[in-house]
Amino acid sequence: GAVVSQHPSRVICKSGTSVKIECRSLDFQATTMFWYRQFPKQSLMLMATSNEGSKATYEQGVEKDKFLINHASLTLSTLTVTSAHPEDSSFYICSARGGGFSYEQYFGPGTRLTVT
Amino acid sequence: DAKTTQPTSMDCAEGRAANLPCNHSTISGNEYVYWYRQIHSQGPQYIIHGLKNNETNEMASLIITEDRKSSTLILPHATLRDTAVYYCIVRANAGGTSYGKLTFGQGTILTVHP
Repeated sequence: GAVVSQHPSRVICKSGTSVKIECRSLDFQATTMFWYRQFPKQSLMLMATSNEGSKATYEQGVEKDKFLINHASLTLSTLTVTSAHPEDSSFYICSARGGGFSYEQYFGPGTRLTVT
Repeated sequence: DAKTTQPTSMDCAEGRAANLPCNHSTISGNEYVYWYRQIHSQGPQYIIHGLKNNETNEMASLIITEDRKSSTLILPHATLRDTAVYYCIVRANAGGTSYGKLTFGQGTILTVHP
């Protein structure tokens, strides 16, 4: 299957700082990327959907000014957690989907964010 | 997208077949059944999907009942590395506001033991 990478795999930051997480599709062009969040012992929750070159669509209850998503190219999307707080500590996972009739989503390995 | 119901957990002996059931009684005609799994602290991995015919690939088989209200994922010879959370997801593949979105439920925790 297609390969999606995330960087960093783990990050620890202090409360009030911002953190950027990168999601890259390595061997295909991703017209759509999705960002999920997963708290311990819970399922994945979709945060937002981003299409290349346009603004992201956020799920209800997700603050767009706090979780900034940029999808400037067909192989890269970034999620920036602004003014992070301990309750933002979570496992953030991206997925990517190619264009046309390719409906499959390929997931990245995830980024473990810990806010102290 | 239709909702799915899965058992919370299942056990399986190594080398035996693991049969994971999923109920999706409200599935509509244009919705596919997808299976993903998530090994601890990793991103989900695609396993298989189908519409109404049974499907098989190198990882698993998917059996969908004739009325499409339930399905079973079969891992023919489970190994310890198959221990994971298995998610059954129903999704339309085209059109609508939910196009492309995957809605994850709680899934089934499959534990394969020696």
